[in-house]
Amino acid sequence: AQSVTQLDSQVPVFEEAPVELRCNYSSSVSVYLFWYVQYPNQGLQLLLKYLSGSTLVKGINGFEAEFNKSQTSFHLRKPSVHISDTAEYFCAVSDPRTGGFKTIFGAGTRLFVKA
Amino acid sequence: DAGVTQSPTHLIKTRGQQVTLRCSPKSGHDTVSWYQQALGQGPQFIFQYYEEEERQRGNFPDRFSGHQFPNYSSELNVNALWLGDSALYLCASSQIYASGLLYEQYFGPGTRLTVT
Repeated sequence: AQSVTQLDSQVPVFEEAPVELRCNYSSSVSVYLFWYVQYPNQGLQLLLKYLSGSTLVKGINGFEAEFNKSQTSFHLRKPSVHISDTAEYFCAVSDPRTGGFKTIFGAGTRLFVKA
Repeated sequence: DAGVTQSPTHLIKTRGQQVTLRCSPKSGHDTVSWYQQALGQGPQFIFQYYEEEERQRGNFPDRFSGHQFPNYSSELNVNALWLGDSALYLCASSQIYASGLLYEQYFGPGTRLTVT
């Protein structure tokens, strides 16, 4: 069975500083990987996805993530954060063998950007 | 282009009652999935509908059922509500490509269900 572990429940960071949100997954097969962002009282918005190919994936709002198969990780990074990046971030995985239907989410990391 | 829409926005029910939540997918999408997000947790997959049939199901009891209509919209029904069913219920739509694979999902704003 697949699972996702987000290693930090909360990450405080000052504005304009770099940030890394860590995600490890467990799967014996190839996977699709995703990062979503959720602002208060809203649904989830897709930041970026890894399906295949280049291990460095660029997404919206200046975020990027690197797929590391040997370490089964998919960490999210941003070189300089803004106050508006304060939100909950979810790492997720799905199984292409089953068509990618079922997506498994991590518990989330709350990013808090301080002025 | 309207995104995924859900109704109602908020709902309060009493234990033992039944509830129906509704979802309209993004234009051009033919697949709808439902997720339950308890407070402080990540979303958990309930089930997915494609071509009006349930295709995959997560670890949820039969009290949770659904339906997809010919226009691709969907309903989630929960019977015999428990206090533990209080959560944000998210609908996500997607498109099945010619490869038979689903790549990414677009989420609606959710329905906040409170069971008292």
